[in-house]
Amino acid sequence: GENVEQHPSTLSVQEGDSAVIKCTYSDSASNYFPWYKQELGKRPQLIIDIRSNVGEKKDQRIAVTLNKTAKHFSLHITETQPEDSAVYFCAASEGFQKLVFGTGTRLLVSP
Amino acid sequence: GAVVSQHPSWVICKSGTSVKIECRSLDFQATTMFWYRQFPKQSLMLMATSNEGSKATYEQGVEKDKFLINHASLTLSTLTVTSAHPEDSSFYICSARARDKLNYEQYFGPGTRLTVT
Repeated sequence: GENVEQHPSTLSVQEGDSAVIKCTYSDSASNYFPWYKQELGKRPQLIIDIRSNVGEKKDQRIAVTLNKTAKHFSLHITETQPEDSAVYFCAASEGFQKLVFGTGTRLLVSP
Repeated sequence: GAVVSQHPSWVICKSGTSVKIECRSLDFQATTMFWYRQFPKQSLMLMATSNEGSKATYEQGVEKDKFLINHASLTLSTLTVTSAHPEDSSFYICSARARDKLNYEQYFGPGTRLTVT
């Protein structure tokens, strides 16, 4: 089955810096890659997703890149703000099949 | 649109009792609902997948006789934790997928914090 690895487990940046979180997946059949932000005690919130027919997607300060050959995808946050502090999870699925989540990255943005 | 609710938001029960958690899709029909468990500082672990009108598919290591899942309609799924024990204390989150062939997105409920004493 699918296995998703996520790095780093914690990431501390200064406000205004960029943050990059990387994930690798094992199943070449996976074609849907969402990223979630989760604040303490809250539900995961979808922040961006990408399908395998696209190599990059951007939404304001957030971007995701996908390398199907290497089976890895990354989340890029530019101009970080303290309110970006949260735990971020990547996930992968084959279409409508179950999502497999990464282990999470705790992002801390210091003012 | 695409709102999922859960009830209750938190529950405390005594060891040996059963607890039922409801997951509802409020403004769409959910052909598939998923149940996750999340321990502190850990990732979401899928427990089971349920399709409306059929039996749930449980992940390896999840006891189907302990975690009873019912998906009786396109807007409601329930998870019953039977004979709960302190080790079942966790954050339980459901998600739902809409009846849309073009949309892979899962919509998450707000979660239920279960504490077993």
